[in-house]
Amino acid sequence: KQEVTQIPAALSVPEGENLVLNCSFTDSAIYNLQWFRQDPGKGLTSLLLIQSSQREQTSGRLNASLDKSSGRSTLYIAASQPGDSATYLCAAAGGSYIPTFGRGTSLIVHP
Amino acid sequence: DVKVTQSSRYLVKRTGEKVFLECVQDMDHENMFWYRQDPGLGLRLIYFSYDVKMKEKGDIPEGYSVSREKKERFSLILESASTNQTSMYLCASSTTGAATRYSPLHFGNGTRLTVT
Repeated sequence: KQEVTQIPAALSVPEGENLVLNCSFTDSAIYNLQWFRQDPGKGLTSLLLIQSSQREQTSGRLNASLDKSSGRSTLYIAASQPGDSATYLCAAAGGSYIPTFGRGTSLIVHP
Repeated sequence: DVKVTQSSRYLVKRTGEKVFLECVQDMDHENMFWYRQDPGLGLRLIYFSYDVKMKEKGDIPEGYSVSREKKERFSLILESASTNQTSMYLCASSTTGAATRYSPLHFGNGTRLTVT
C-alpha cells in the first residue's frame, strides 16, 4: 500500500527566503504526483501536477520536481511571501488513480 | 475552470440524525471522491465513484453511504450521525482513462460538520 510522507511537518521562515518542501512515497509505480495548497478552513487548491514521465513542473515562483526512482518529490518556493502561508500537501496517484495524500507541511512566512 | 460545489460550508447536527452532504461538479468528470480531514490524521478516503451508480469503499466507509444517481452529483450520507463523525468533509472530482494521468484532482471548499 502506498505511503506518502511529508517533511517537515511545520516550517516558519522570514519573508524572502527560498524554501523546499519534501514529499516521499514508498511505491514508485505512480502515474502522477500532485501538489496542493490548503488555507485554513478551506478546500485544497491544485498547484502543480507532475506526470510520471516528467521531471519537473513550474508555475510562477513554484517549481516541483519528481524522482520516481528514489520515491521523492520536492516543491521549491522562491522568494517566499506572507501570502504563501498555508498547508501544502502532496498526493501520489498509482494504478487505481486514487491519490494517496501526505499529511502536509504547515508553512508560515512572517514579514 | 473546474468547479466543485459543496452545498454547505458549516453544518450542525444532532446525534442520531440522518445527514446528507451534497457535492456537484460541472466538468463532466467520471470520478468523484469523499474524504474526511482531521487534525493529525490527514485526508482519509471514505468512498469514491468512477461512474453513475458505481461506488467503491475507501479506507473508512463505516457509518457512511453514498449515492450517485447523476454524473455531476455525489452525495455522502451519514445514516445515524455520531459525535466521532465531527470533521471536515471534502469532495473531489477528476477525469478518467488515459487522461487521468494528466488530470488534476479538483476539490470543493469543504463542509465543516459538527455533531452534538
